Amino acid sequence: EDQVTQSPEALRLQEGESSSLNCSYTVSGLRGLFWYRQDPGKGPEFLFTLYSAGEEKEKERLKATLTKKESFLHITAPKPEDSATYLCAVRHGSGNTGKLIFGQGTTLQVKP
Amino acid sequence: DTGVSQDPRHKITKRGQNVTFRCDPISEHNRLYWYRQTLGQGPEFLTYFQNEAQLEKSRLLSDRFSAERPKGSFSTLEIQRTEQGDSAMYLCASSTNAGYEQYFGPGTRLTVT
Repeated sequence: EDQVTQSPEALRLQEGESSSLNCSYTVSGLRGLFWYRQDPGKGPEFLFTLYSAGEEKEKERLKATLTKKESFLHITAPKPEDSATYLCAVRHGSGNTGKLIFGQGTTLQVKP
Repeated sequence: DTGVSQDPRHKITKRGQNVTFRCDPISEHNRLYWYRQTLGQGPEFLTYFQNEAQLEKSRLLSDRFSAERPKGSFSTLEIQRTEQGDSAMYLCASSTNAGYEQYFGPGTRLTVT
């Protein structure tokens, strides 16, 4: 069964303290791994798509990487405005499914 | 703003009542998705349309739930005989045929009392 697990569940950082969020996945034929940011009471905001092992994507202080079993979201020198829940999702390869399978998210708090 | 829009943003209803939510996708997007999210969890897939055709439904979508996209543009999600367990955020997303990235709306927060 397709499954996505994110760790840690919660992360508190000081401003400027770099760290990484983990997304482990089990999926039959990966057709994309997605990272989203979600602020309280709002819908998820798309950040990155990764398709194959070794791929990397960057946006401002965020960098996403992908291996055959997991993805990391690296946050470099975070600022308080980076505080949010970060969601990882996968799409599997069979059929014409549109379904994304999400992890439970990592809630990041960055203190000034 | 040309993003995904949802209406209403909040809905409070009594157990047993019917509710309907609307989603307007990004205009050039042919695919439309509904998800449900409870507190502390990631979104769970409910159903998916390509144009007006409903191509996939989750087992979560009991017979009290029905979704439509009659003209391939906006979509509605109806919940009949609501239960307290239906309380959640209902999220709509859209994408192009070719793209896998799904863009989400702000959600409709349903509270069943």
